[in-house]
Amino acid sequence: DADVTQTPRNRITKTGKRIMLECSQTKGHDRMYWYRQDPGLGLRLIYYSFDVKDINKGEISDGYSVSRQAQAKFSLSLESAIPNQTALYFCATSDFAGESDTQYFGPGTRLTVL
Amino acid sequence: AQSVTQLGSHVSVSEGALVLLRCNYSSSVPPYLFWYVQYPNQGLQLLLKYTSAATLVKGINGFEAEFKKSETSFHLTKPSAHMSDAAEYFCAVSKRRGGADGLTFGKGTHLIIQP
Repeated sequence: DADVTQTPRNRITKTGKRIMLECSQTKGHDRMYWYRQDPGLGLRLIYYSFDVKDINKGEISDGYSVSRQAQAKFSLSLESAIPNQTALYFCATSDFAGESDTQYFGPGTRLTVL
Repeated sequence: AQSVTQLGSHVSVSEGALVLLRCNYSSSVPPYLFWYVQYPNQGLQLLLKYTSAATLVKGINGFEAEFKKSETSFHLTKPSAHMSDAAEYFCAVSKRRGGADGLTFGKGTHLIIQP
């Protein structure tokens, strides 16, 4: 969905490096999410945010942190990357105030930690 | 806690044949259920969702799913497969409308269409 953008789309880094993945949305949604996808495991929730001041841990938050800089921006950081954080990362948004009842996903960031 | 089980990591059907992708859920509260599709090198796109309004839900691209509470199932079907249906399909559950506090996904089913 072009309304949800993720940068970078691909990133290769080394163990121990700090990495930030960024997500921006133009949908005006209040809620934003970070998931990671691993082959054969589906998607798992890392963090989610209801608004700028409300950040919540998901199923697998260890080793990650997030920042909601504005309603439209939600960043995911790996303070010290490790190889088992190699995965496809997706940002998603949803609009609770509206009636969409749907999460909209970005195109994903493929992260490789060597 | 909620969970989703998708039976069959890979499903192969012939073009024109019925598509049936199975999803069973576990939820302590009335669930909200979703099917998403992921085409190669793309993000996830919503196919359809169940929000208690109707048990038979119609989605995009000719797909539909039926919510069966007694069987805790939400299987995805399409009467006639097309080559363009080849993709990864994910069933997801949430206890809040729209997945407000995040979605719990199944492991996915890779749909293969044989010519």
